[in-house]
Amino acid sequence: AQSVTQPDIHITVSEGASLELRCNYSYGATPYLFWYVQSPGQGLQLLLKYFSGDTLVQGIKGFEAEFKRSQSSFNLRKPSVHWSDAAEYFCAVGNQAGTALIFGKGTTLSVSS
Amino acid sequence: DAGVIQSPRHEVTEMGQEVTLRCKPISGHDYLFWYRQTMMRGLELLIYFNNNVPIDDSGMPEDRFSAKMPNASFSTLKIQPSEPRDSAVYFCASRPDRGSSGELFFGEGSRLTVL
Repeated sequence: AQSVTQPDIHITVSEGASLELRCNYSYGATPYLFWYVQSPGQGLQLLLKYFSGDTLVQGIKGFEAEFKRSQSSFNLRKPSVHWSDAAEYFCAVGNQAGTALIFGKGTTLSVSS
Repeated sequence: DAGVIQSPRHEVTEMGQEVTLRCKPISGHDYLFWYRQTMMRGLELLIYFNNNVPIDDSGMPEDRFSAKMPNASFSTLKIQPSEPRDSAVYFCASRPDRGSSGELFFGEGSRLTVL
């Protein structure tokens, strides 16, 4: 079955500290992978995406993610977290062939001062 | 360019009433998706359209839910009759067909509360 697992429901990080959010997927075809961010009361905004090429992808707001096929993972990282990064983060998997994205249940990030 | 536009942003209604949520996708996008977000189940796909034709409605929870896309610039999601367990945020998203990397563009959502 196709699925996305985000093992951490809630993470708290100190401002300025590094961040890693985990994502594991199960997908039959070559996956297209995405990270979205959702601020309270807002829609989902794309942070970054991977579908081919370099397995380390850069996104907006200083985020990056690494695709590891052997581990079926696509973890999101940021070297130094800012208070404005507090939000909910969703990992998603799909492909180009017109199918819908499958989302994980999200990780809520809190940033402490 | 305008993004995906959803209305209403907030809807409070009483059990048994009909609810209609509306979505205008980004111009030129061939796919339109309806998702529902709840604390318990996260983001669930309800239905999606390609060129105004429903492709997969297996996520529609029951016959009380229906969705239409009469033209390329408008879609509705209707719940009749509504129940308290339908309370959720409903998102509409769209994407182009050609030249797409699969990314979805989301609206800001419609928050539905059924009392």
